[in-house]
Amino acid sequence: AQKVTQAQTEISVVEKEDVTLDCVYETRDTTYYLFWYKQPPSGELVFLIRRNSFDEQNEISGRYSWNFQKSTSSFNFTITASQVVDSAVYFCALWDSGTGGFKTIFGAGTRLFVKA
Amino acid sequence: GAVVSQHPSRVICKSGTSVKIECRSLDFQATTMFWYRQFPKQSLMLMATSNEGSKATYEQGVEKDKFLINHASLTLSTLTVTSAHPEDSSFYICSARESLGDRGSSPLHFGNGTRLTVT
Repeated sequence: AQKVTQAQTEISVVEKEDVTLDCVYETRDTTYYLFWYKQPPSGELVFLIRRNSFDEQNEISGRYSWNFQKSTSSFNFTITASQVVDSAVYFCALWDSGTGGFKTIFGAGTRLFVKA
Repeated sequence: GAVVSQHPSRVICKSGTSVKIECRSLDFQATTMFWYRQFPKQSLMLMATSNEGSKATYEQGVEKDKFLINHASLTLSTLTVTSAHPEDSSFYICSARESLGDRGSSPLHFGNGTRLTVT
């Protein structure tokens, strides 16, 4: 069965600190996709990254970086030099071909507070 | 980039009335759209998968007769909350995936959500 676990419910950091958001997933498929979305207080969901199961290269985009480790079924997200505008809820999500109907399953989310 | 427009963004209605929420893909065609519900400080819960030209597929525990979904065209899906009750108050979000060759690779594009309050 599919499952996405974001064990950190809330994280609070001070501006300019680095912060890592954890994501652990479960799937029986060998082909799957992982995503991170950001939900700021305004409510809309913003797509951040997509990674397929065959690409284990880590990715960096500005202050954001992602560490995909298939051996531990983790897809962690690091924000470097955090800013107040990074305050939001971050969701990790999984899509695999075994779900039928192409459903995307979301983790519970991690609420990040960045204090000035 | 792909844009999904959801309307209205906020709605307040009286108990017993029905509310329709529209979800449009503005610059791409979406054979499949998804409706999620989000309670305060909780994750997104998939309610149903909306298929263009056919019946929606509902998740377990979601009442089909209460949450009517219509996907009349490749760019429009609607969710109607019928005979709304205060417990239906929630944040409803639609999403769509671009119809690419590899259906799994396109991320979901989300509407901005509709905050429904039933009084």
